Amino acid sequence: AQSVTQLGSHVSVSEGALVLLRCNYSSSVPPYLFWYVQYPNQGLQLLLKYTSAATLVKGINGFEAEFKKSETSFHLTKPSAHMSDAAEYFCAVSEGQGAQKLVFGQGTRLTINP
Amino acid sequence: GAVVSQHPSWVICKSGTSVKIECRSLDFQATTMFWYRQFPKQSLMLMATSNEGSKATYEQGVEKDKFLINHASLTLSTLTVTSAHPEDSSFYICSAGGSAGEANYGYTFGSGTRLTVV
Repeated sequence: AQSVTQLGSHVSVSEGALVLLRCNYSSSVPPYLFWYVQYPNQGLQLLLKYTSAATLVKGINGFEAEFKKSETSFHLTKPSAHMSDAAEYFCAVSEGQGAQKLVFGQGTRLTINP
Repeated sequence: GAVVSQHPSWVICKSGTSVKIECRSLDFQATTMFWYRQFPKQSLMLMATSNEGSKATYEQGVEKDKFLINHASLTLSTLTVTSAHPEDSSFYICSAGGSAGEANYGYTFGSGTRLTVV
């Protein structure tokens, strides 16, 4: 079975500071990994995905994530936080190529301080 | 591309009534659709997986007679909450996956439906 652990249910950074949201996964097969953002009362928007190609993945809104197999990690970063980045972020893993079921982490709420 | 439309966005119903939520893939054929439930300040929990033309596969602990899922076409899946009770109040989100482009990995989500049972 696959699982995802997001370290820190709440992260707070200052505007302009580095954003780092941590995600570790467990998988018995090569994983496909995703980061999503969710604004209040809305669905999920895909930020980026890793599907066994380049280990450094660039996504939308200036976010990127690096797949590190040795650390079973897929941390999300952004060099400079904007107020509009305040939201809930979910890391997710799928069960391999062709499978579409996602297992989500617990989520991390990102707060941006002015 | 890969747009999923979910309706309604909000619904309030009386206890004991049924509510239907629709999930449509607008520009691709969704061979598989997923229904998730999200409690306040919590993560998404998969309720069931539906494949077009076949019965849905429910996750352990999900009552299939309460949460009826129909996936009769490649562009539409419905979730019906039958005899709803206040504990069914939640945010329901669908996800659609298909065989074209970025929809391959089931990461196109609907905008969600906030169900409140009073």
